[in-house]
Amino acid sequence: KAGVTQTPRYLIKTRGQQVTLSCSPISGHRSVSWYQQTPGQGLQFLFEYFSETQRNKGNFPGRFSGRQFSNSRSEMNVSTLELGDSALYLCASSLVSGGAGELFFGEGSRLTVL
Amino acid sequence: AQSVTQLDSQVPVFEEAPVELRCNYSSSVSVYLFWYVQYPNQGLQLLLKYLSGSTLVKGINGFEAEFNKSQTSFHLRKPSVHISDTAEYFCAVSYSGGYQKVTFGIGTKLQVIP
Repeated sequence: KAGVTQTPRYLIKTRGQQVTLSCSPISGHRSVSWYQQTPGQGLQFLFEYFSETQRNKGNFPGRFSGRQFSNSRSEMNVSTLELGDSALYLCASSLVSGGAGELFFGEGSRLTVL
Repeated sequence: AQSVTQLDSQVPVFEEAPVELRCNYSSSVSVYLFWYVQYPNQGLQLLLKYLSGSTLVKGINGFEAEFNKSQTSFHLRKPSVHISDTAEYFCAVSYSGGYQKVTFGIGTKLQVIP
C-alpha cells in the first residue's frame, strides 16, 4: 500500500512569490491535514480537509489556503511569501476526521524563501 | 485551547540506559494522546496511542507510556535504548467530540550515546 506522497520535496522561492504544494493521501483515506514544522516551534496545525470540506483551521494568516479534490488529493497554497514561511510542510492522512485516528505522514515539502 | 508541553527539548542518554520523555497536556474531560517519532529527513510515524481503557500503553520498538489523568501527563519510557532510537519524539493530543484537530508539542530530541 503506497504511503502519503508529497510533491515537490524541495523548493526555493523568493519573497512575494506564491507556492503550491501537493499531497496524495493513502488510498481510502478521506482526511488530509497540513502542518508547518520549524525548529523550536514543533508542528503547527494549518488545516484539515475531509471529503472536500475544511473541517478545522489553525491560526495562520489568510495567505495560507488549501483545498481537497474528489479523489482526496489535497493542495495547499501560500501567497505573497515571506522569509518566515521557510519551513517543512507536512501532510498527514487519516481514515477518520476528528483527531482519534492515526495520522500517516508524508516526508514533507521543504520550502526555502530567499 | 488545547496544548501540549514537552518539558525537555533534548535528552542525551547512554546506550542500554533507560529513558523517560515527559509530556503534559491541558486538561479536558476526554482526551486522545499520542507519541510520534521522526527520524532524520523523514515524516512522523506513530509510536503509540491512548484512546481509552488501560492507562499503560505499549507501542512499537519497546516503548510504552502511561496516561495519568490527575497529573495530566503522558510520559514515554523505554527500559533500554539503542543507537537506532536517536530521533525526535513528539507528544500530541486531541479531544473527543466534534471536529478536533491534533495538537503537537515542540518535540524532544533523543540522542543515544554509544
